Amino acid sequence: GQNIDQPTEMTATEGAIVQINCTYQTSGFNGLFWYQQHAGEAPTFLSYNVLDGLEEKGRFSSFLSRSKGYSYLLLKELQMKDSASYLCAVRGGNDYKLSFGAGTTVTVRA
Amino acid sequence: GAGVSQSPSNKVTEKGKDVELRCDPISGHTALYWYRQSLGQGLEFLIYFQGNSAPDKSGLPSDRFSAERTGGSVSTLTIQRTQQEDSAVYLCASSVQGSGANVLTFGAGSRLTVL
Repeated sequence: GQNIDQPTEMTATEGAIVQINCTYQTSGFNGLFWYQQHAGEAPTFLSYNVLDGLEEKGRFSSFLSRSKGYSYLLLKELQMKDSASYLCAVRGGNDYKLSFGAGTTVTVRA
Repeated sequence: GAGVSQSPSNKVTEKGKDVELRCDPISGHTALYWYRQSLGQGLEFLIYFQGNSAPDKSGLPSDRFSAERTGGSVSTLTIQRTQQEDSAVYLCASSVQGSGANVLTFGAGSRLTVL
C-alpha cells in the first residue's frame, strides 16, 4: 500500500518563505507531484520530480530524495493568493495511479 | 474541450436514491481517473480507465459504485442506493497517458450531499 504524510496546517506571513514536507512509503516509485487546491476548486499541477534534486519554477521549488522517501515544496515571497491546500502525490510501481496525501493547508497572513 | 468538465456541480439527494455523475475529459486524453475527496481527507482513488484496456476498479468502496467510459471519452460514475457516508466531492481527472510525467488535469468536481 501507499503511505504519504504531510503536515495538516501551516501559517506564514506575506513575503516570507514556507517549506511543506512530504514523506512517503510506496510500492515502487515513478514520480512525485505537487498540486495546489484553492477552496472549492480543482487541484492544479505545480511540479513533478522523478530524479533526486531541486526543481525550480519561479517562486515555487520542489525537492526530492528517493533514498529518504522525502520531498518538500518551497514557496518563496508568499502572496495572499498562495493561501490554499497543497497536495503531495506519488505515482507508485503500477505507474498510473496517483496516491495523494491529505494535503497541507497554508494560510498567508498580512 | 479546453478543460475537464464535470456535471452536476452540486447534487443533493435522499438516502437510498441513485445518482449519476458525468465527466467529459480533455479531448485526446486517453487516461481518465475518478477520485473522491471527503472533508479534511486526501483524494481517494476510485477507478482508472486507459484507452480500451480493462479499467482498474480496485478503489471502488462497494458494489453500489460503478463507472463506465463510452467511446473512450465521456465517463459516468453511478452510485446506487446512496448512503450518507457517500457525501463528498467526486473529482474526475484526465491525462494524455496514465504514466510517467503525464500530468493529471482535474475537473472542478461534483459535490454530492446525501440527506
